[in-house]
Amino acid sequence: GQQVMQIPQYQHVQEGEDFTTYCNSSTTLSNIQWYKQRPGGHPVFLIQLVKSGEVKKQKRLTFQFGEAKKNSSLHITATQTTDVGTYFCAGPLGAGGTSYGKLTFGQGTILTVHP
Amino acid sequence: DADVTQTPRNRITKTGKRIMLECSQTKGHDRMYWYRQDPGLGLRLIYYSFDVKDINKGEISDGYSVSRQAQAKFSLSLESAIPNQTALYFCATSGHRPAGDTQYFGPGTRLTVL
Repeated sequence: GQQVMQIPQYQHVQEGEDFTTYCNSSTTLSNIQWYKQRPGGHPVFLIQLVKSGEVKKQKRLTFQFGEAKKNSSLHITATQTTDVGTYFCAGPLGAGGTSYGKLTFGQGTILTVHP
Repeated sequence: DADVTQTPRNRITKTGKRIMLECSQTKGHDRMYWYRQDPGLGLRLIYYSFDVKDINKGEISDGYSVSRQAQAKFSLSLESAIPNQTALYFCATSGHRPAGDTQYFGPGTRLTVL
């Protein structure tokens, strides 16, 4: 079936190191979203990418949407302990606009930052 | 997000019991969702509802049922709980485009089935 795959599943970094998580879809996406879940918390929306090749930045976070709109990445520069949590990508899989509102989530990447 | 609430926050029950998890929202959104989260499996969609008269099965609906009592309320039931339904359950809402598909999650219900 249609899937959104995310790697790596885990990432341990020292504070100050960079971090990247990758997301790949089996089909072309109309948009891709990223969410962050702090330990013990709930997923919180970070950003949505819509255009082919789009790059957006939020402070130390850089989000990219691939040219084919089938992959995306989240890069964090100089990680801080406040970055710990699970990062999920999600996309509306399905034909055209019929699936909008219904998202398929990647498995998530659990980021641990060692001080 | 305080706009989406879930009750109970934690529940321990026994195999075979009927359980209801409730979700309420004050965001005025038409669309509501139930997910379960398991380690390494991410968030999997159980059921979703795009308005009060619309109920749809998600990826893993077997063993679950839902009720959309009002625009603001969406309940998830486990008719006869089993241990592999032990998980973290999230309710979420979303509005219409152009705000689009962005989903707002409740705080979650941690369910343990013994």
